[in-house]
Amino acid sequence: EAEVAQSPRYKITEKSQAVAFWCDPISGHATLYWYRQILGQGPELLVQFQDESVVDDSQLPKDRFSAERLKGVDSTLKIQPAELGDSAMYLCASSLVGLAGPYEQYFGPGTRLTVT
Amino acid sequence: GNSVTQMEGPVTLSEEAFLTINCTYTATGYPSLFWYVQYPGEGLQLLLKATKADDKGSNKGFEATYRKETTSFHLEKGSVQVSDSAVYFCALRTGANSKLTFGKGITLSVRP
Repeated sequence: EAEVAQSPRYKITEKSQAVAFWCDPISGHATLYWYRQILGQGPELLVQFQDESVVDDSQLPKDRFSAERLKGVDSTLKIQPAELGDSAMYLCASSLVGLAGPYEQYFGPGTRLTVT
Repeated sequence: GNSVTQMEGPVTLSEEAFLTINCTYTATGYPSLFWYVQYPGEGLQLLLKATKADDKGSNKGFEATYRKETTSFHLEKGSVQVSDSAVYFCALRTGANSKLTFGKGITLSVRP
């Protein structure tokens, strides 16, 4: 069964350092989502792509976060500089797109970030 | 804006007990409703969904009915197992390709 791949699974970094996460969606899924899940809370959307275009980045802290999906396939989420409050699980999800939706969002295992 | 409210947890039950996890929502338009489950160390998995009022979603013995009049989507299971121990999230989306809005989640622990 196809899965969403994410790496690394765990990352520990010092504050003010740069960190990057990678996501490879299920083949053929045009829509890709990055969610942040703070401990004890539900995931919240950071950014949504359709193919290589950003559809929604209203909750992305653009002064320090950036996301790209250059070829409309895999995606990278970057934080620079990292802050203590960025410690969280970063989840990537993908789905098909079309008018016959809603299509199921398939989630990857996540990257657990700890900022010290 | 859209929001999902889940009952406070955690919940601890004995095996074979009846489970109810409450979920209510606020949304513009006509949302689709979902329950996701997160097992330790894993990503979220879709458990069940309902896309219109009075629909009942079901999977693995779990059920939830979309109640528009009470804006609720409570999750139930008649007899829980130890393997059901996980975090459960209620969620909604208001467009075919839109983001999910999640509740805070609730941790379920089932004792043998």
